[in-house]
Amino acid sequence: GAVVSQHPSWVICKSGTSVKIECRSLDFQATTMFWYRQFPKQSLMLMATSNEGSKATYEQGVEKDKFLINHASLTLSTLTVTSAHPEDSSFYICSARTPALYEQYFGPGTRLTVT
Amino acid sequence: SQQGEEDPQALSIQEGENATMNCSYKTSINNLQWYRQNSGRGLVHLILIRSNEREKHSGRLRVTLDTSKKSSSLLITASRAADTASYFCATGLSAGNMLTFGGGTRLMVKP
Repeated sequence: GAVVSQHPSWVICKSGTSVKIECRSLDFQATTMFWYRQFPKQSLMLMATSNEGSKATYEQGVEKDKFLINHASLTLSTLTVTSAHPEDSSFYICSARTPALYEQYFGPGTRLTVT
Repeated sequence: SQQGEEDPQALSIQEGENATMNCSYKTSINNLQWYRQNSGRGLVHLILIRSNEREKHSGRLRVTLDTSKKSSSLLITASRAADTASYFCATGLSAGNMLTFGGGTRLMVKP
């Protein structure tokens, strides 16, 4: 149980385009989902916390108009990188939790390359 | 900002040896969790220890927590080549709240 999927697993896009990444909890309802970004050989940095049915809470320094998060259902959250630039190239990882669990369950990640 | 600092940043050992990784943090916590990440992959939850616990075991893993020193350690006994990965500690300030990750330790186990 507690499986989280992400789609796509990797994506290459041109500078200026937008990319949508999906995060799904497959066998449980996720009231809260988290989006992280990880640069090569670095740790995970929390970008935003997403609660179902409400606006996401962004961490300091993360542009909410550039990284659009939608958590429309208890099993799906999406992260849209708008007007992507090469510096947005990174590994994006989501995680999900339910109120009863301390643990967060992580998706396999999405590698974004902006050319 | 990153709360946890991990030590060492990189560790190389021979198969069969034990591997110890340490994590220090700055603020009071509700729980501390250890995760493993294989290169280019997602994170796998290894073990969670609550602030009122001092030690937990899971298979070949042993985690300790010293809240007075704000530190934790992860011990992997009888390491295997398949244990090669990056290991991260993450602290939670409250139950189920966001996690703050340490810098990670890159472990290489040589066959």
